[in-house]
Amino acid sequence: DTGVSQDPRHKITKRGQNVTFRCDPISEHNRLYWYRQTLGQGPEFLTYFQNEAQLEKSRLLSDRFSAERPKGSFSTLEIQRTEQGDSAMYLCASSARSRGIGELFFGEGSRLTVL
Amino acid sequence: GQQLNQSPQSMFIQEGEDVSMNCTSSSIFNTWLWYKQDPGEGPVLLIALYKAGELTSNGRLTAQFGITRKDSFLNISASIPSDVGIYFCAGENSGGSNYKLTFGKGTLLTVNP
Repeated sequence: DTGVSQDPRHKITKRGQNVTFRCDPISEHNRLYWYRQTLGQGPEFLTYFQNEAQLEKSRLLSDRFSAERPKGSFSTLEIQRTEQGDSAMYLCASSARSRGIGELFFGEGSRLTVL
Repeated sequence: GQQLNQSPQSMFIQEGEDVSMNCTSSSIFNTWLWYKQDPGEGPVLLIALYKAGELTSNGRLTAQFGITRKDSFLNISASIPSDVGIYFCAGENSGGSNYKLTFGKGTLLTVNP
């Protein structure tokens, strides 16, 4: 069973550096989401793609953040000029149109530590 | 923004005991969901509720969608050690347009064998 795959699982970087995370959703899923989770909190919505179109972005997604899903398959989330406040777990999730509302399949996450 | 208030924040119980946790909101949600997250993993869906008043079971888990559409509870019966983890409630109210979820802060469950 191929689930949602995220890479890298862990990333340690210095403040000011750029980082990029990749997400490979379940192959037949046309909806893809990025969430951010900090310690002691639930996941917070960042952005949503339906196929290759980015249909919604949260206010949490500052200008330093950009997400793409160029061919409607895998997605990347890039953070430019990282800040210590960007340290978090970045979760990718996918869903199929045929599934019920909210039935998201999450990846294992990419944990970012900004020093 | 929308917020979900989840309680309790943590629970420490003995194996075999029943557990109950709940989630409330000041906003109406059309869908309520319960997810479980193990350390270092992403959340996994346990139960989804789509109608006010709906009561749904999944093995030892039972969840209900409150009649006011502003609350939900999750019960776990006869807890076992592998029930350990963080349980999140989540709500969705976009009418199915984007499946964006609002999550609570979670209930940390510890089960003592």
